[in-house]
Amino acid sequence: DAGVTQSPTHLIKTRGQQVTLRCSPKSGHDTVSWYQQALGQGPQFIFQYYEEEERQRGNFPDRFSGHQFPNYSSELNVNALLLGDSALYLCASSLDPRGEKLFFGSGTQLSVL
Amino acid sequence: GESVGLHLPTLSVQEGDNSIINCAYSNSASDYFIWYKQESGKGPQFIIDIRSNMDKRQGQRVTVLLNKTVKHLSLQIAATQPGDSAVYFCAEIDGGSQGNLIFGKGTKLSVKP
Repeated sequence: DAGVTQSPTHLIKTRGQQVTLRCSPKSGHDTVSWYQQALGQGPQFIFQYYEEEERQRGNFPDRFSGHQFPNYSSELNVNALLLGDSALYLCASSLDPRGEKLFFGSGTQLSVL
Repeated sequence: GESVGLHLPTLSVQEGDNSIINCAYSNSASDYFIWYKQESGKGPQFIIDIRSNMDKRQGQRVTVLLNKTVKHLSLQIAATQPGDSAVYFCAEIDGGSQGNLIFGKGTKLSVKP
């Protein structure tokens, strides 16, 4: 049983570019959440998708958007990249939309130069 | 959670000793708490959880204690092993929220052989 898988594992972009990160949830999970983890800090909630809709959003600008597909996989898009967007982006899936028992992927390390 | 920048609190223990990692939370409305372990290059891994109607819960070699009076959470690891070396995060969910897991400060545990 595959866990949460994310792609790519590493990515380098320049300021102003756009990026798309992908996530496949753990088998049977229908809820996907995205987190941003800056170096040396705990993950911060970006948003959650359930039934192909954004259910809740953290304190992130509109440059951060997402999508969930009918097979429950998800994408995170970031437009107009800033240096401060450099971080580890984590995808987590669960059966419970409240966020209990989240299973995390290994993340995508994004570097913005 | 509070930001600690690039300097995580560190706990160094001898192999075989017990470890205690502490966490303070600020939201009295939080009703569910989780401890995660994050190894280098990986996403957070669920260790143990506890609901606010409990004050202690035990797992295999781990125990979580919750003191709601002083808003304090601790993780005890018995007979610490080199494989326990990682960064440990506590996280909480507000009783009125959906999907927004709030992570606290991380603590870096180093186990000396």
